[in-house]
Amino acid sequence: EAGVTQSPTHLIKTRGQQATLRCSPISGHTSVYWYQQALGLGLQFLLWYDEGEERNRGNFPPRFSGRQFPNYSSELNVNALELEDSALYLCASSLAGLTDTQYFGPGTRLTVL
Amino acid sequence: QKEVEQNSGPLSVPEGAIASLNCTYSDRGSQSFFWYRQYSGKSPELIMFIYSNGDKEDGRFTAQLNKASQYVSLLIRDSQPSDSATYLCAVSPESGYALNFGKGTSLLVTP
Repeated sequence: EAGVTQSPTHLIKTRGQQATLRCSPISGHTSVYWYQQALGLGLQFLLWYDEGEERNRGNFPPRFSGRQFPNYSSELNVNALELEDSALYLCASSLAGLTDTQYFGPGTRLTVL
Repeated sequence: QKEVEQNSGPLSVPEGAIASLNCTYSDRGSQSFFWYRQYSGKSPELIMFIYSNGDKEDGRFTAQLNKASQYVSLLIRDSQPSDSATYLCAVSPESGYALNFGKGTSLLVTP
């Protein structure tokens, strides 16, 4: 069974640009979660999508947004990039409502110059 | 703010010894508890989950949960150098909600 996949692996942008990160969940999983892991910090919850709807978001500004598509894949958009947005962005999926065990993808390393 | 606390380490143990990793949480209503392992530059990998008070064993790993004390631990028996990684404790308030992670404990197993 294929795991969670994310693309791209690495992304380099400059301040003020927009970044789009993509995630495909494990087959059959309907929930997708996005986390940010900045250097020296723990995993910070960004967004949770289930059945195409945003269910919850963490303490991040509105320039962090996303969506979930009918096939349950998801994308995370970060507008007006700032230097401190440089981090590893992790996507996880789960069978929401049945189990809350989350499985992580390999992550996208975003570097903002 | 619902906190999950872990000692940052590094925790150094000799090969073959038992490594004991600890985690406390502040939300008394927490339902599910997870341990993930994260190698440097990689994504977290699920090791174990535990929902009920007591011990849960899986191979060399044992998770222990004490909800009254709001404490969860992970024991690694017969530690190997390949176990050297950061171990993340994660807590979920209820099914389907985002996990609240501790900052992790760095484990170093020395040959």
